[in-house]
Amino acid sequence: DGGITQSPKYLFRKEGQNVTLSCEQNLNHDAMYWYRQDPGQGLRLIYYSQIVNDFQKGDIAEGYSVSREKKESFPLTVTSAQKNPTAFYLCASTHPHGGSTGTDTQYFGPGTRLTVL
Amino acid sequence: AQSVTQLDSQVPVFEEAPVELRCNYSSSVSVYLFWYVQYPNQGLQLLLKYLSGSTLVKGINGFEAEFNKSQTSFHLRKPSVHISDTAEYFCAVLNNAGNMLTFGGGTRLMVKP
Repeated sequence: DGGITQSPKYLFRKEGQNVTLSCEQNLNHDAMYWYRQDPGQGLRLIYYSQIVNDFQKGDIAEGYSVSREKKESFPLTVTSAQKNPTAFYLCASTHPHGGSTGTDTQYFGPGTRLTVL
Repeated sequence: AQSVTQLDSQVPVFEEAPVELRCNYSSSVSVYLFWYVQYPNQGLQLLLKYLSGSTLVKGINGFEAEFNKSQTSFHLRKPSVHISDTAEYFCAVLNNAGNMLTFGGGTRLMVKP
């Protein structure tokens, strides 16, 4: 079955530690995204990548880093510089049709809930 | 810059009653709109989307939405809700480059027996 997987589902971290969240897709999508979701709030974009070896900052990139070495994988590292990392993290992917065609549906993974102890 | 406003953070409703979840957007050029549903501790699932054509869009699970350009709205409706519709619903607009979504704050639909 095609889809997006995120692991782990739940993650606990001590203050001052870096932690990496995994996101893998087998949909052959070019673009991948990381969002952060806090209780009662919408989704905020952390980073996105349109193509392998390229990525762009979103609205709240500070304290996070990403890599895109393979088309299928887009891991997110939450660094110790992120002041309030406890949140639900969602990964998404899409297959852009190019330009402003506006036909790009984003497909989401099941999410990782990160808690800082 | 684009923005999306979901006016109601929570909507309580009894089972089998109709419901409308409101969404207003701001966008300078072409408008591509989406509604997603999120069940507890899960990712988002696409309900429906408006790209062009008929302003009334039908989606999964009996939901539909109407695009109203003059009122810059894209309200989501269902004529009769079920307990299983209890979830959070997000409205989103695609940017002009077609590569980023802007989400509203979400509306929590609570269906009571």
